[in-house]
Amino acid sequence: EDQVTQSPEALRLQEGESSSLNCSYTVSGLRGLFWYRQDPGKGPEFLFTLYSAGEEKEKERLKATLTKKESFLHITAPKPEDSATYLCAVRGGSQGNLIFGKGTKLSVKP
Amino acid sequence: GAGVSQSPSNKVTEKGKDVELRCDPISGHTALYWYRQSLGQGLEFLIYFQGNSAPDKSGLPSDRFSAERTGGSVSTLTIQRTQQEDSAVYLCASSLGETQYFGPGTRLLVL
Repeated sequence: EDQVTQSPEALRLQEGESSSLNCSYTVSGLRGLFWYRQDPGKGPEFLFTLYSAGEEKEKERLKATLTKKESFLHITAPKPEDSATYLCAVRGGSQGNLIFGKGTKLSVKP
Repeated sequence: GAGVSQSPSNKVTEKGKDVELRCDPISGHTALYWYRQSLGQGLEFLIYFQGNSAPDKSGLPSDRFSAERTGGSVSTLTIQRTQQEDSAVYLCASSLGETQYFGPGTRLLVL
């Protein structure tokens, strides 16, 4: 059964304190691993797609990496505006839909 | 350009009533998805439309849920005889390739 597990459930950081969020997955025939950001009361906002182990992508203070079993979202020198829930999802095999983890709620304090 | 739009933003209904939720996908996107997000839960897949193919309904939780997509564009999710456990945020997404882009969601509260 395809599955996505994110950790930690919640993370509190001080502004400037770098850290990483983890996404562990099991899927038959990975067709893509996706990271989204979700602010309260809004829909998920697309951040990155990773397709194969070893791939990395960056956007501002965020960097996503992928191995055969997990993905990391590294946050460098975060700012309060980075506070949000970060969602990881996979698409595998012949599926059209994404399978989501429950997310990591990130709070960055000034 | 315009993103995915959903209406209404919020819906409050009484148990047993039917509700319709609307999704306008990004123009030109061939695939459309419905997901449900309950408090404390991850996004749960409901149904998927791809072009003119038969929809993938494997995620619908009961026969009270149905969806249609007219003209390959706008989609309506219908929930009949709503129950309190149907209270959730219903999210629509569309895609042309692998990446799905989400709308703001409809927050449904069943009293």
